Order: sequence, then C-alpha cells, then structure tokens
Amino acid sequence: DAGVTQSPTHLIKTRGQHVTLRCSPISGHKSVSWYQQVLGQGPQFIFQYYEKEERGRGNFPDRFSARQFPNYSSELNVNALLLGDSALYLCASSPLFQTGELFFGEGSRLTVL
Amino acid sequence: SQQGEEDPQALSIQEGENATMNCSYKTSINNLQWYRQNSGRGLVHLILIRSNEREKHSGRLRVTLDTSKKSSSLLITASRAADTASYFCATSLITGGGNKLTFGTGTQLKVEL
Repeated sequence: DAGVTQSPTHLIKTRGQHVTLRCSPISGHKSVSWYQQVLGQGPQFIFQYYEKEERGRGNFPDRFSARQFPNYSSELNVNALLLGDSALYLCASSPLFQTGELFFGEGSRLTVL
Repeated sequence: SQQGEEDPQALSIQEGENATMNCSYKTSINNLQWYRQNSGRGLVHLILIRSNEREKHSGRLRVTLDTSKKSSSLLITASRAADTASYFCATSLITGGGNKLTFGTGTQLKVEL
C-alpha cells in the first residue's frame, strides 16, 4: 500500500507569492495533519483536518489555510510568503480523529527568496 | 513553540554501543511518542508509550516514561550505522481539538563504524 504522498517535493518562491502544497493520505485514513519544520528544529503543528472539517489549528497566522477534500486528500495554502516561511512542510495521516501514531509523508521543501 | 527539550542535542557513538536520548516536557500528556528522521526527510514512528505506562520495548528500542518528572528516555541497544538519524520525542494531548503532537528539538545521533 502507498504511504502518504506529498507534492511538490521541492519548490522555490519569492516573497509575496502564494503556494499550494498537496497531500494524499494513506488509503482509509480520514485525518490529515500539517506540520512545519524549520531547519534545525522539530516540526510544529499547523492544522488537523478530519472528515473535511478543521479540528485543530496551531499558532500560525491567517496567511496559512488548508482544506480537506471528500477523498480525504488535503491542500495547505500559504499567502504573502515571507522569508521565514522557508521550511519543510510535512503532511501526516492517521486512521481516526484521535489516533496516537501519525504516518508522515516525505515533505515539501519550500524555499522563499 | 517547542514543548520538549531533548538531551543531548548531538550524540556520536561507535557501532555496537548503546545510545540514550532524553526528553523533557512541560504539560500533561495522553501519550509520548518517538520518531526518527533521516536527513530532513519524513518522520518515521518508532514507539508510543501511554501516560499510565512506565516502560515499553520494541526490538532494540526501550522507552521509559516518568510523568512525575515529565521526562522520557529512548535507549537504542547495539547501535548500527543505519541508526544514524535525528530522533524526536513528541507529546500528545488528545482533546476536543484533535490529536496535536508537540515535538522536541531533537537529538542528532551519529553511529560510526
């Protein structure tokens, strides 16, 4: 079975631009979470979606938004990019809303110039 | 913000030796998990210990949890060069807001031949 897949794997943007990152969860998993990992730090929670509804949000500005589709795939959108948004964006899926273990994708590495 | 602090930040050992990493956290938890990350790629779940457990084993891994001290340790026995990676602890507090993992700062483990 395929794991969590993310696209694109790498991308370069300039300040002020917008970016959309995509994630397909493991088949049968209904919960998708997004994490931001800045170089040298641990991942930080951005959003959790379950059954197409936002179920949790981390301490990120409104420039960050996400949504989950009927097939449980998800998009993370970031508007008005700042240099500090450069990071590895990780998507994770889990079978249920409150499952302990998360299954992570390989991430999308965003560089903002 | 990071909840967990891991110690040491970096660890270099010889193949065959044991590696011990420690994690401290600040708030109540439902469970604590350890993840491994190779060279800035996706995270792989290693082991989960619930708040009412004190010790858990999985293959060459041994995890302890002391909720009174808000600390955990991960022991990797008989280390191999392939164990070279960054290791993160993550605490989970499952609320109505879902399952949000709060990661520590990570320990970079290097196992030399």
